Amino acid sequence: EVQLVESGGGLVKPGGSLRLSCAASGFTFSSYSMNWVRQAPGKGLEWVSSISSSSSYIYYADSVKGRFTISRDNAKNSLYLQMNSLRAEDTAVYYCARLRSNTVFDFWGQGTLVTVSS
Amino acid sequence: QSVLTQPPSVSAAPGQKVTISCSGSTSNIGAYYVSWYLQLPGTAPKLLIYDNNKRPSGIPDRFSGSKSGTSATLAITGLQTGDEADYYCGTWDTSLSAGVFGGGTKLTVL
Repeated sequence: EVQLVESGGGLVKPGGSLRLSCAASGFTFSSYSMNWVRQAPGKGLEWVSSISSSSSYIYYADSVKGRFTISRDNAKNSLYLQMNSLRAEDTAVYYCARLRSNTVFDFWGQGTLVTVSS
Repeated sequence: QSVLTQPPSVSAAPGQKVTISCSGSTSNIGAYYVSWYLQLPGTAPKLLIYDNNKRPSGIPDRFSGSKSGTSATLAITGLQTGDEADYYCGTWDTSLSAGVFGGGTKLTVL
């Protein structure tokens, strides 16, 4: 059974940093691109970042470019999102999602809440 | 402002059919397959339709998808109260080099 479990969310002050983790199990992690997708309270889904299976290709939404860094450790079956210079508008539930065939987010984690507030 | 455009809400009676549209451009829907996601209140999104019209195992055939040009449509027949949820379309955008979603459509089964 595919499982994605996010952790690392919490309350942080504007300008602060946070590192999210996503632990994957039930599939060959090193064979799949992985993504972060976020959802602000009461709002829709917003794609944040994508990393290919071998970390060769990395993409970011313009809203986070230069502040967030996606990475992965295939030996540990883990995905990460380092978030720096956090802003109030980064407040959201952050989901880890497996990507299949470029356009299909076929499995999602339960999400971790990040709140940026003073 | 989402790259893909969906109606904010749709509604229909139990047993009826409803369609949800998703409009994009040649750099996203026109170039890639479209997926649809279902999000029940307080839960994570779940894949409903992929590659425009394929259903993952466990998704009933009441749910169907189609695509024409730069638009896609999700159809749900035999509506049930349990179908009340938010529905999102999604794909990749080659101009943005980014994943893109619609703003979401809230389905109400009256």
